[in-house]
Amino acid sequence: GAVVSQHPSRVICKSGTSVKIECRSLDFQATTMFWYRQFPKQSLMLMATSNEGSKATYEQGVEKDKFLINHASLTLSTLTVTSAHPEDSSFYICSARVGSRDTGELFFGEGSRLTVL
Amino acid sequence: AQSVTQLGSHVSVSEGALVLLRCNYSSSVPPYLFWYVQYPNQGLQLLLKYTSAATLVKGINGFEAEFKKSETSFHLTKPSAHMSDAAEYFCAVASGGFKTIFGAGTRLFVKA
Repeated sequence: GAVVSQHPSRVICKSGTSVKIECRSLDFQATTMFWYRQFPKQSLMLMATSNEGSKATYEQGVEKDKFLINHASLTLSTLTVTSAHPEDSSFYICSARVGSRDTGELFFGEGSRLTVL
Repeated sequence: AQSVTQLGSHVSVSEGALVLLRCNYSSSVPPYLFWYVQYPNQGLQLLLKYTSAATLVKGINGFEAEFKKSETSFHLTKPSAHMSDAAEYFCAVASGGFKTIFGAGTRLFVKA
């Protein structure tokens, strides 16, 4: 199957700093990637849809100025958490779809655990 | 609008026993349904998917699920649980667009 890689897998930062998480599709081109946030023992919450060459589409309630998404190439999307606060601590997961809009399965990155001190 | 309900946040079975994880969906158009598994501190991996072909879908690791339109269900089963099956399982639905909506998840515990 397709491979999606996320980096870093773990990051600890101080409050007020910014953190960038990368999501790469290693063996396929992904025009669309998805960013999810997962709180402990909870489901995945879709944050935004990342579109190559255009602006990301954010879900309701997600601050676009805080969670900056850039999808500059067909194999790379980045999520930058700006001016991080402890409440931003979470597990962030990216995914990309291979195949058609609905029937194509999602391939997930390994996830990035962010801890803000 | 589409939604997914997973009945039971925790399920515990003995090794060798039947695994049954329940999922009900709501969709205004014919849905595509998925089951994913997540191991601790990892991303999700697809177990199986229903895309309007056969209603009984077989997946990896001996799992299967049956699409029942009349019951709006897509329950996941495995005849004999193994210790390595202990994980979090997510049911998901996609219909009419790009988005995939996930259920709340069911954590499976397997007792020796």
